[in-house]
Amino acid sequence: EIVLTQSPATLSLSPGERATLSCRASQSLMNYLAWYQQKPGQAPRLLIYDASNRATGIPARFSGSGSGTDFTLTISSLEPEDFAVYYCQQRSNWPLTFGGGTKVEIK
Amino acid sequence: QVQLQESGPGLVKPSETLSLTCTVSGGSISSYYWSWIRQPAGKGLEWIGRIYTSGSTNYNPSLKSRVTMSVDTSKNQFSLKLTSVTAADTAVYYCARLNEGLLGAFDIWGQGTTVTVSS
Repeated sequence: EIVLTQSPATLSLSPGERATLSCRASQSLMNYLAWYQQKPGQAPRLLIYDASNRATGIPARFSGSGSGTDFTLTISSLEPEDFAVYYCQQRSNWPLTFGGGTKVEIK
Repeated sequence: QVQLQESGPGLVKPSETLSLTCTVSGGSISSYYWSWIRQPAGKGLEWIGRIYTSGSTNYNPSLKSRVTMSVDTSKNQFSLKLTSVTAADTAVYYCARLNEGLLGAFDIWGQGTTVTVSS
């Protein structure tokens, strides 16, 4: 099973700041990595697929990068609605797995 | 716009079988993979399995011995059965579309349904 390790566990930032979230895989994923945003009481929402492609309707301030084992989700300038938990997920190997999440909280 | 809706009992007794159904509306269930994912309160996401509209399945090995998924294309529904449940199976259960065209990302999710295992 591929283990996805997300860091940091919590990121405390102010609106307007840049957020950089990391997802590291225990083996190469090629580009089979997605990112999701989850707010309290809601289902996750797909942000990024194929490591760097924004899903439909996702604002340009969200960007993904990386390949192999190291991936990054960047939010260029945090909006109030961006404070949430973010998960990465791999489809490179079975079973599909998710990272443990990074909580982006208001500083 | 495709939407998913989970349904099923919110309370299941220990050792019994958890049964959930996901109804797909606004589009056809055909030609996609469909998954179940769960999330215990305050914790992360766990993939349970996937089913194609042909009925072929893949399950998470951690749950494989207890999981059965099925699909009813005539009703645009797919289902989950999890046997011999314990308190550890208490979670929010989501159904989701697994889009292989997006390299295996879950692009559409249901709102989730809370299942509690308790006597």
